[in-house]
Amino acid sequence: DQQVKQNSPSLSVQEGRISILNCDYTNSMFDYFLWYKKYPAEGPTFLISISSIKDKNEDGRFTVFLNKSAKHLSLHIVPSQPGDSAVYFCAASGPETSYDKVIFGPGTSLSVIP
Amino acid sequence: NAGVTQTPKFQVLKTGQSMTLQCAQDMNHNSMYWYRQDPGMGLRLIYYSASEGTTDKGEVPNGYNVSRLNKREFSLRLESAAPSQTSVYFCASSRGQLETQYFGPGTRLLVL
Repeated sequence: DQQVKQNSPSLSVQEGRISILNCDYTNSMFDYFLWYKKYPAEGPTFLISISSIKDKNEDGRFTVFLNKSAKHLSLHIVPSQPGDSAVYFCAASGPETSYDKVIFGPGTSLSVIP
Repeated sequence: NAGVTQTPKFQVLKTGQSMTLQCAQDMNHNSMYWYRQDPGMGLRLIYYSASEGTTDKGEVPNGYNVSRLNKREFSLRLESAAPSQTSVYFCASSRGQLETQYFGPGTRLLVL
């Protein structure tokens, strides 16, 4: 049973518009969340993170929102650019499973259309 | 500064053959990890090493062994490859818990 879910396998967005990628988790012990981005034939690269003491973290065009009661987080990309086209993985960890054990979701493939 | 390097990039094995995937990092990181990526499954942790001399099981350790040879190198061994081990394998490293993990480019393994 997947502990981190990304229910949209793919998403298409026009350049300049907002991209919203969603992620749900089932384990209430998770308290640290990350987003990674992956281009084809490359390894994932870290994008942004958030701990459960915050409900929002911003880094340039990327903002992650955390709703602990709903066990839901989302990644907003504004404005979206063609170079943002990639697979985005949501990931979570917590003290129960040691922060070394990061659980990844299945990924959402984002296409930004020029 | 090469970051995390993995060899080989691609390998074809027959069922029952063995092989070792190599990983090295030059960032003086304490922690190293092995993941596999399968379609629709995301990345799943196979084994990790929180520090030199220690290794621990991840989500899917069966069929694999690891060796933390020194601080730089962390190898993954398949003793008797099975078609279910066909996957893309990623090595990663980090300074420690809650620190960013840096990934290598991956090894694509096909077991026939």
